[in-house]
Amino acid sequence: ETGVTQSPTHLIKTRGQQVTLRCSSQSGHNTVSWYQQALGQGPQFIFQYYREEENGRGNFPPRFSGLQFPNYSSELNVNALELDDSALYLCASSHQGPDTQYFGPGTRLTVL
Amino acid sequence: LAKTTQPISMDSYEGQEVNITCSHNNIATNDYITWYQQFPSQGPRFIIQGYKTKVTNEVASLFIPADRKSSTLSLPRVSLSDTAVYYCLVGPRDTGRRALTFGSGTRLQVQP
Repeated sequence: ETGVTQSPTHLIKTRGQQVTLRCSSQSGHNTVSWYQQALGQGPQFIFQYYREEENGRGNFPPRFSGLQFPNYSSELNVNALELDDSALYLCASSHQGPDTQYFGPGTRLTVL
Repeated sequence: LAKTTQPISMDSYEGQEVNITCSHNNIATNDYITWYQQFPSQGPRFIIQGYKTKVTNEVASLFIPADRKSSTLSLPRVSLSDTAVYYCLVGPRDTGRRALTFGSGTRLQVQP
């Protein structure tokens, strides 16, 4: 059984650019959640996808969007990057239920 | 969602027992208490979850008093590898389908 994987591990972009981050969920999990973690802070919920549909969203602007594919992998897209978007982006997969969320190692995004 | 309060940081030495207390005065009747551990440049990892009294697993113990307004994560005989940030979360048990709300956590530094 493979765990949650994310790519790339590190990424550098400039303001105004667009970025796509990818996540492969743990085998058997149908739910993917994305979190943003600024330096020194706890992770903040961006949104969750369940069976290819958005299933909840945190306080993030529309330029943060996502997709979930039939194999339950997921993408996070961020348009018009801002300096404050620099953070560790975490993906977590789970079942819809009492089981916990299993986090990947994250993608470190730096916006210059 | 119930707000949680934890110490910002704690220091300990190898072999000592570490107790991290979390306050959650407005915990709801159906809320559970869940603790996560996060190492640098990794995603959070589930440690333990409980509703009342005491829960123990191979990693830690969780003590919850009768009024449930606080909880204590106990790490027996810590080692250097226990240096991490520990997060206390309060919410419904079905964490797989919900947005996890992280605070700033407690940064534990274990020294030799």
